[in-house]
Amino acid sequence: AQKVTQAQTEISVVEKEDVTLDCVYETRDTTYYLFWYKQPPSGELVFLIRRNSFDEQNEISGRYSWNFQKSTSSFNFTITASQVVDSAVYFCALSEAMDSSYKLIFGSGTRLLVRP
Amino acid sequence: GAGVSQSPSNKVTEKGKDVELRCDPISGHTALYWYRQSLGQGLEFLIYFQGNSAPDKSGLPSDRFSAERTGGSVSTLTIQRTQQEDSAVYLCASSLPGHPLEQYFGPGTRLTVT
Repeated sequence: AQKVTQAQTEISVVEKEDVTLDCVYETRDTTYYLFWYKQPPSGELVFLIRRNSFDEQNEISGRYSWNFQKSTSSFNFTITASQVVDSAVYFCALSEAMDSSYKLIFGSGTRLLVRP
Repeated sequence: GAGVSQSPSNKVTEKGKDVELRCDPISGHTALYWYRQSLGQGLEFLIYFQGNSAPDKSGLPSDRFSAERTGGSVSTLTIQRTQQEDSAVYLCASSLPGHPLEQYFGPGTRLTVT
């Protein structure tokens, strides 16, 4: 069965600290996609990244980086030099190619609080 | 261009009443999804439309929940005989044909059942 686990319910850091948000997934499919979304206090979901199961290269985008490891079924997200504006709830999600709807299976989210 | 819109943005209803939540997808988006976000929880899938048909209704929690889509555009999610556990934010997303992984989310409808 497909499942996404974000074990960290809430993380609090001081501005400029680095922080890593963990995501572990379970899937029956060999072709799947992993996502990270940001939900700021305003409530809208902001897409951050999508990776497919055949591409294990790590990705860096500014202060954001993602570490995809199939061996441990993890897709972790690191924010370097965190800022107050990074405060939000972050969701990891999974979509399976064998599911023709491509619906997203979300984790329960990690609330990140960055204190000045 | 216009994004996914949802109405109302907030809805307070009494237990036992029926409610209708509306989603206007982005023009040209044939796929439409409803998700629910309960307090402190992640989003859970409810139903998927491709055009006017719903090939995947597996996430609807009970027969009190139904949804329809007309003209391949607007969708309405109906909850009958609302219960307090139905209180949540209901989010709609849509995607272009051939691009199911690029789901654009609306702002959501916050439903409170008192």
